[in-house]
Amino acid sequence: QVQLQQSGAELTKPGSSVKISCKASGYTFTSYDISWIKQRPGQALEWIGAINPGSGGTGYNEKFKGKATLTVDKSSSTAFMQLSSLTPEDTAVYYCAVENSGSFDYWGQGVMVTVSS
Amino acid sequence: ETTVTQSPASLSMAVGEKVSISCKTSTDIDDDMNWYQQKSGEAPKLLISEGNTLRPGVPSRFSSSGYGTDFVFTINNVLLGDEGIYYCQQSDNVPLTFGAGTKLELK
Repeated sequence: QVQLQQSGAELTKPGSSVKISCKASGYTFTSYDISWIKQRPGQALEWIGAINPGSGGTGYNEKFKGKATLTVDKSSSTAFMQLSSLTPEDTAVYYCAVENSGSFDYWGQGVMVTVSS
Repeated sequence: ETTVTQSPASLSMAVGEKVSISCKTSTDIDDDMNWYQQKSGEAPKLLISEGNTLRPGVPSRFSSSGYGTDFVFTINNVLLGDEGIYYCQQSDNVPLTFGAGTKLELK
């Protein structure tokens, strides 16, 4: 079965960077894009961007350009998202998801990133 | 960017009642609307995908309709296990955007 296993919670300081991972299994990793989605506490969902694991091609929500950088390692079927210049507004749960024609078919369990001094 | 306006923000229903949630989009998206359920502490789960297509394993009590800019999600005979937050999401154009969510509580 399709599974996305994300890395553990992060506690970071303002101005720093963090890199979170999403390991895929149960399907051919290069067959579907991986999207990343942000959910602030008690808030709705925001699409950050997506990466094609086969080509490495990326697409970003304009709002997150310069904030998020998406990469993959095909050898380990793992997608990564680096968040830079962190502020308290970046405190959120970040999900990876398998994207199929714009819908998010399978989701990781989410990673809580807390930015606090 | 396509804005998705979802209503109501919350619902309190009794077991067995019918739930209706509306999503309106700021641009014509054909039938490129998806619906998710998020239970407390969990990731969202895709229930219905584009073309009002029920996902495998999702009970037929869940359905949706709509085309263009107006969409409705329905739960017939709501059960206690249906509590959670429901989101709509358009997949017609990027950035992919979500509604603000509807919190469903059971009395």
